[in-house]
Amino acid sequence: KNEVEQSPQNLTAQEGEFITINCSYSVGISALHWLQQHPGGGIVSLFMLSSGKKKHGRLIATINIQEKHSSLHITASHPRDSAVYICAVDTGTASKLTFGTGTRLQVTL
Amino acid sequence: DAGVIQSPRHEVTEMGQEVTLRCKPISGHDYLFWYRQTMMRGLELLIYFNNNVPIDDSGMPEDRFSAKMPNASFSTLKIQPSEPRDSAVYFCASRWNFGELFFGEGSRLTVL
Repeated sequence: KNEVEQSPQNLTAQEGEFITINCSYSVGISALHWLQQHPGGGIVSLFMLSSGKKKHGRLIATINIQEKHSSLHITASHPRDSAVYICAVDTGTASKLTFGTGTRLQVTL
Repeated sequence: DAGVIQSPRHEVTEMGQEVTLRCKPISGHDYLFWYRQTMMRGLELLIYFNNNVPIDDSGMPEDRFSAKMPNASFSTLKIQPSEPRDSAVYFCASRWNFGELFFGEGSRLTVL
């Protein structure tokens, strides 16, 4: 079993829909990261959080440390949100992240 | 700051040739990571440095791979000799302490 699990693996949505991507982890963490990668593109850090909730534009990330679970929400989705979203965790013992396998999101018109 | 800078962006080479990938981390960052991304295996950590010192190279596939960080502003990942199975996108990333991780644009390597 992977230490970091994401669901769903693939997601198709229509423009304007509210989207939720989930991340569960099985280890103790000091922080959780959400990353975005557009097709053929680089990897961009969206959020780094260790508690509560963060918001940036149409993106919201939440984390529940007790339940070892985080969600990434996209409100009013747009085709430009089509990308792979990757959850990664800092276990705190070393500065290397443990990555989930990613969620491929496609937003259609 | 210009962000993490990688070169080359694309490299096509023939099997057996030496490949050198380069990375300039963000100034002031004390951690540097080399990752490899393939469709089959996703993102894999190859090696990371702290203050120019290699900390964990357990992800380096085999002796054909080597990485150096001679100073705080430059790192190289070398593959010698290259093989077709090394074809992948190689990412360099840097961070300060346990802060946000910043990735370069990646170097897409194709070994024929």
